[in-house]
Amino acid sequence: DTEVTQTPKHLVMGMTNKKSLKCEQHMGHRAMYWYKQKAKKPPELMFVYSYEKLSINESVPSRFSPECPNSSLLNLHLHALQPEDSALYLCASSQGERQETQYFGPGTRLLVL
Amino acid sequence: GDSVTQMEGPVTLSEEAFLTINCTYTATGYPSLFWYVQYPGEGLQLLLKATKADDKGSNKGFEATYRKETTSFHLEKGSVQVSDSAVYFCALMPKGGNEKLTFGTGTRLTIIP
Repeated sequence: DTEVTQTPKHLVMGMTNKKSLKCEQHMGHRAMYWYKQKAKKPPELMFVYSYEKLSINESVPSRFSPECPNSSLLNLHLHALQPEDSALYLCASSQGERQETQYFGPGTRLLVL
Repeated sequence: GDSVTQMEGPVTLSEEAFLTINCTYTATGYPSLFWYVQYPGEGLQLLLKATKADDKGSNKGFEATYRKETTSFHLEKGSVQVSDSAVYFCALMPKGGNEKLTFGTGTRLTIIP
């Protein structure tokens, strides 16, 4: 089973709201990722967690705050977002070894009003 | 730095036509190479991969061969179906690297009956 689940599927929020995206995998993977994908573009890496520790932050604005409560869960906390943050947010996981395949979830489509 | 170049889309083919989507890469050493597919409104799915020179990845009738001499990983399918309509992303992961996938720009494929 190579399933990564994400909730919610869709999210609409105002610029003053606080919301969270959730990602879960039960494949025993030790690396988890957040990507942002704008329409007609490839995904852009935001964060990488390796063995529950943040290993890569691609200079993402602080209004995005990742959290990895355990090896199966990854959250992305959103606060004071801008309309240009509207996008598809994808979670992925991999075994954590170098060059291992990343498996993606279905994404959360976010609209910021 | 590492980069992936894909053929420009969109590509429109008739059902049962032969498909080739070109992908070339620039990287040091021997990266792992991937093709991901994104169906409308969904996340990315791993289609196939190859981890060393001359490896052939295959899945669902799609094939791609890791060609070190031409730094290419072209995607092919002998007879496409309407259900293959999607966006296809070529990607690489550097050897011994930093878990970062480098994506091509994506190729939108539409199959008409």
